[in-house]
Amino acid sequence: GAVVSQHPSWVICKSGTSVKIECRSLDFQATTMFWYRQFPKQSLMLMATSNEGSKATYEQGVEKDKFLINHASLTLSTLTVTSAHPEDSSFYICSAADTGRFIEAFFGQGTRLTVV
Amino acid sequence: QKEVEQDPGPLSVPEGAIVSLNCTYSNSAFQYFMWYRQYSRKGPELLMYTYSSGNKEDGRFTAQVDKSSKYISLFIRDSQPSDSATYLCATAREGGKLIFGQGTELSVKP
Repeated sequence: GAVVSQHPSWVICKSGTSVKIECRSLDFQATTMFWYRQFPKQSLMLMATSNEGSKATYEQGVEKDKFLINHASLTLSTLTVTSAHPEDSSFYICSAADTGRFIEAFFGQGTRLTVV
Repeated sequence: QKEVEQDPGPLSVPEGAIVSLNCTYSNSAFQYFMWYRQYSRKGPELLMYTYSSGNKEDGRFTAQVDKSSKYISLFIRDSQPSDSATYLCATAREGGKLIFGQGTELSVKP
């Protein structure tokens, strides 16, 4: 199956700093990428949808100025958590899909963010 | 009411048992129903998906959808310790936005 690589797999940062998470599709063109957040023993919650070359669409309740998403190419999307706080500590997961194949989107391995 | 509801478990079964995992959903307009497996600290992996009602089988796994009762199921036959993971059901909104259940933590004991 297709591979989506997410980096880093874990990161610890100080409160007030920013963290960038990368999501790469390694062997297909990802016209759409999705970013999710998952708290322990809870479901994945969609944060935003990004299409290559367009501004991301954020779900209700997600602060777009805090969670900056860039999808500059068909193989790379980034999520930047700006001015991180301890409540932003979570597991962030991206998924990537080719045009019209959303059901078969492939997920990255996730990034565990801990803000201290 | 959540759009997709799933019993979080945990569920513990002996090796070789048949496992039944279930979800309910609220919106009758949903057409695609997926099952994912997620190992600890990893991203989800798509196991299988079904469109509308009916059954779909893939090896030891069978997915079932009953649209009349808005009920989806995943059956695992001859369960193995390597099946121990969290299983997430999901459906899709327009634009490919996935809505996940809470996930059921499954443990298969040797």
